[in-house]
Amino acid sequence: EPEVTQTPSHQVTQMGQEVILRCVPISNHLYFYWYRQILGQKVEFLVSFYNNEISEKSEIFDDQFSVERPDGSNFTLKIRSTKLEDSAMYFCASSESQGWTEAFFGQGTRLTVV
Amino acid sequence: EDQVTQSPEALRLQEGESSSLNCSYTVSGLRGLFWYRQDPGKGPEFLFTLYSAGEEKEKERLKATLTKKESFLHITAPKPEDSATYLCAVNANAGKSTFGDGTTLTVKP
Repeated sequence: EPEVTQTPSHQVTQMGQEVILRCVPISNHLYFYWYRQILGQKVEFLVSFYNNEISEKSEIFDDQFSVERPDGSNFTLKIRSTKLEDSAMYFCASSESQGWTEAFFGQGTRLTVV
Repeated sequence: EDQVTQSPEALRLQEGESSSLNCSYTVSGLRGLFWYRQDPGKGPEFLFTLYSAGEEKEKERLKATLTKKESFLHITAPKPEDSATYLCAVNANAGKSTFGDGTTLTVKP
């Protein structure tokens, strides 16, 4: 069964460092997303991406965040200068269509900023 | 702003004891309502999509229903392996889904 894969599963970084979280979406999907979940809190939307550009982003997704699809298979989230409050599980998701069809999630990358 | 409220926050059932989880929502123009299951430390696992009031979907011991203001996830004769957090999400604006806080279900043998 096709699945979304994320690497690494756990990343520890020092405050102020740059991190790149990687995702391989399901191959025939066209829409890609990043969500995050702070421990004990709800899943929060960060950004959606289609046709090589951001289609929507939340208030959380400020200038410290960027996304890229560097080739035909990978989708990345970069945090330029990490803060303690960026510590969370980051989930990548993909869907065939935007919004009205279900998104399939990866297993997440646990980011710990120390 | 889209809002999703799930209740109860936590639910403990005995194996075989049926119950329902509630998801009430406020959106302007619902495109889809999604139910996911999330196990600790894992990503949300897709269960159902509902598009319009009156629609129902079933999968094994789970049945999801939708009205204009809320959705229910009915669990019939649950087993311990059904223990997880169940998440409801709505999509009104293409590209973004809004999640509720979830209901943590524990089924005791």
